[in-house]
Amino acid sequence: SAVISQKPSRDICQRGTSLTIQCQVDSQVTMMFWYRQQPGQSLTLIATANQGSEATYESGFVIDKFPISRPNLTFSTLTVSNLSPEDSSIYLCSVEGVSGQPQHFGDGTRLSIL
Amino acid sequence: AQKITQTQPGMFVQEKEAVTLDCTYDTSDPSYGLFWYKQPSSGEMIFLIYQGSYDQQNATEGRYSLNFQKARKSANLVISASQLGDSAMYFCAMREGWGGETSGSRLTFGEGTQLTVNP
Repeated sequence: SAVISQKPSRDICQRGTSLTIQCQVDSQVTMMFWYRQQPGQSLTLIATANQGSEATYESGFVIDKFPISRPNLTFSTLTVSNLSPEDSSIYLCSVEGVSGQPQHFGDGTRLSIL
Repeated sequence: AQKITQTQPGMFVQEKEAVTLDCTYDTSDPSYGLFWYKQPSSGEMIFLIYQGSYDQQNATEGRYSLNFQKARKSANLVISASQLGDSAMYFCAMREGWGGETSGSRLTFGEGTQLTVNP
């Protein structure tokens, strides 16, 4: 399975600022996914990032708040903008390789807002 | 619409015993995949095991096995010989269109079951 490096592992940010999370994969992958896990809850998909096209956002998530870049087949970033306490969550990237292979996740970014 | 249900918010098991974590699902797609992930308190999501809807045999991976009952739409995770390190949150997830082209179909997760292994 792919090795996924996600940075930072955790951060504490001030309200109104932004945080960019990086996800690096050791092999080329078609689809990359960004999830949010609010405290005590399950994972919710934010968006799907396909190289060379705009990310596809799920209902309730907008590009202005969660801009995503996917410059190549091994890298993606998620920015969480205009941070508020409600953004305190774990953010995880995952990748899907060839057909028939399960998604694997990065180690997550634990974000806290002061 | 996809739906995953995990009815056990918390489970307790004695070390070295087996435990079953329940998962039921709902989909109208005949082609789907079912997955189990483990999330320790550190937060990472660890893939454990998966079952395709067309797989004839139940999946097994070491101490993990998946009790797949298609007619009942259930995909329970069985952990044999529990260890203290198995204490974690366990999530069941489903993806429709499994086995075909990678279409970017989302994983839908259940609410999770917190497993505690007692010494």
